[in-house]
Amino acid sequence: EADIYQTPRYLVIGTGKKITLECSQTMGHDKMYWYQQDPGMELHLIHYSYGVNSTEKGDLSSESTVSRIRTEHFPLTLESARPSHTSQYLCASSETGQATATNEKLFFGSGTQLSVL
Amino acid sequence: KNQVEQSPQSLIILEGKNCTLQCNYTVSPFSNLRWYKQDTGRGPVSLTIMTFSENTKSNGRYTATLDADTKQSSLHITASQLSDSASYICVVSDRGSTLGRLYFGRGTQLTVWP
Repeated sequence: EADIYQTPRYLVIGTGKKITLECSQTMGHDKMYWYQQDPGMELHLIHYSYGVNSTEKGDLSSESTVSRIRTEHFPLTLESARPSHTSQYLCASSETGQATATNEKLFFGSGTQLSVL
Repeated sequence: KNQVEQSPQSLIILEGKNCTLQCNYTVSPFSNLRWYKQDTGRGPVSLTIMTFSENTKSNGRYTATLDADTKQSSLHITASQLSDSASYICVVSDRGSTLGRLYFGRGTQLTVWP
């Protein structure tokens, strides 16, 4: 069982609010990711990090930002939430340092279901 | 364009029956193919990972096959159980960049009825 935790599990907020989705892993993984997933659709990478002080934008444009001050913590922040941000946000981490390692296993958290009214 | 297509989109079977889910991909160059199980409201959990040199890999009642020539994979579930009800996602990784980009399918939603 993966030791990667996301809080909150569910969040309902009003438009314009600032929110932070938390993600922590206790496995010591260097690489961490944020994905966005809508019902019945594929996961889209929005942010990733190779380690402390490393953050990059993913394939899907997102108005969110991330930080990586500690290895185990990779929070995602929305400065001003909008209804278009309603989605499930999944955090993940992987155990190898090489992105193309064939046995690289990706561990996912349980996700945060965000609803912006 | 690199894509991963899964079929069927949804499937209903009776408990105890077998089923096979399909995944076709156009990702190139190919590094590996993964199958994940995602329960409703949860994150995906890895079932199998296969490289181009592997034809089949099993994980309990789950058996994945890969044909790298035709760029097809299947996931066979034997003697289905109610707990198998979930979305099964096919994910293909390329080796054309330092990131080793992952391409996700939309999943097959499997429902097992008693």
